[in-house]
Amino acid sequence: NAGVTQTPKFQVLKTGQSMTLQCAQDMNHEYMSWYRQDPGMGLRLIHYSVGAGITDQGEVPNGYNVSRSTTEDFPLRLLSAAPSQTSVYFCASSYSTSGVPYEQYFGPGTRLTVT
Amino acid sequence: DQQVKQNSPSLSVQEGRISILNCDYTNSMFDYFLWYKKYPAEGPTFLISISSIKDKNEDGRFTVFLNKSAKHLSLHIVPSQPGDSAVYFCAASRRTSGTYKYIFGTGTRLKVLA
Repeated sequence: NAGVTQTPKFQVLKTGQSMTLQCAQDMNHEYMSWYRQDPGMGLRLIHYSVGAGITDQGEVPNGYNVSRSTTEDFPLRLLSAAPSQTSVYFCASSYSTSGVPYEQYFGPGTRLTVT
Repeated sequence: DQQVKQNSPSLSVQEGRISILNCDYTNSMFDYFLWYKKYPAEGPTFLISISSIKDKNEDGRFTVFLNKSAKHLSLHIVPSQPGDSAVYFCAASRRTSGTYKYIFGTGTRLKVLA
């Protein structure tokens, strides 16, 4: 049981490049989410999904796209990287019962630098 | 507009004493609250949670108190241990249009001094 895995661990991009951060979980969790962590800002929700085929925006969605074609995978796409997207990105998943949320399990993070 | 606030960026406590971490929220629709602990270069890990129908939840050395009228929750760690040194995040969630999302605070860095 690997839990939540994220790849890559580190990435450097040039302004304007695109890339996809991968996230996978093997716990059959319905709910998955992406956060970014910046100094003094805590964890801010980018996008989330309550099940395959369903995604929604969080607090800071601009510049990011997501899709959820399977229960296991929830990739985050940066369309055209900007220095403001330099951050540590965390993916998380949780189970729910009748819409009641439970604790999230987080991946180890991806540290992204945009130059 | 920060809906979940942790106004103390850092806290230092002697080993064996009580650590109290505070969290305030502005939205009365939040109905489930959680605390996470984060070590450097790792993802956050879940510590303890509380539903809005309760005012206290205890798990070993960790107790969370919820004061709905004040929109305030706190995490008590007794006794504090050096291994508790980490950043602590509180989070709140609420139902929105049939789904739910978690909103995190900015974190408090706890240092437990041996």
